[in-house]
Amino acid sequence: ETGVTQSPTHLIKTRGQQVTLRCSSQSGHNTVSWYQQALGQGPQFIFQYYREEENGRGNFPPRFSGLQFPNYSSELNVNALELDDSALYLCASAQENTQYFGPGTRLTVL
Amino acid sequence: QKEVEQNSGPLSVPEGAIASLNCTYSDRGSQSFFWYRQYSGKSPELIMSIYSNGDKEDGRFTAQLNKASQYVSLLIRDSQPSDSATYLCAVNRVNDMRFGAGTRLTVKP
Repeated sequence: ETGVTQSPTHLIKTRGQQVTLRCSSQSGHNTVSWYQQALGQGPQFIFQYYREEENGRGNFPPRFSGLQFPNYSSELNVNALELDDSALYLCASAQENTQYFGPGTRLTVL
Repeated sequence: QKEVEQNSGPLSVPEGAIASLNCTYSDRGSQSFFWYRQYSGKSPELIMSIYSNGDKEDGRFTAQLNKASQYVSLLIRDSQPSDSATYLCAVNRVNDMRFGAGTRLTVKP
């Protein structure tokens, strides 16, 4: 176990809806990253937060947004859901450049 | 050219054999390198990290890094059926990490 938790485990939404996914980082880790993993693919970097500020972003549109809170927990928000947003969403907290993943949230968009 | 490339496999080896997994990356500014193992339906778990050229051994696992060739590999000695999983190569640049698509390994008893 990495000490990183995510909620919910599974989620089903319809096109156009909005979703919020949550992550609780491992104690002492002040950096959190979010990834999208489609079936059969490697994780794709969405963005990274360090001490509540976004400090890195991958090739994802602005409808993917996030927050990091003072206790280093984090949220990923996705607006205007599309069918292609169906994936496993992974949160990873980091210490000294090494990332440890949570169990993920499986999002299905119908 | 993909930023991180791996052979998708599947790679099949008999139990007790050495499994060799390879990865190349495109960004010469990459600073640290990781191998993760991912079982079906689970999240990636860290196996090894490597930061400097050469070999790094941890139990049955050896990671090799050659920055001049932009190449990272993972050797698994005495492969076990429990090693059957997808192995992800990850390359850390400044403030982001890029993953390959993974190599699926099957170890046959």
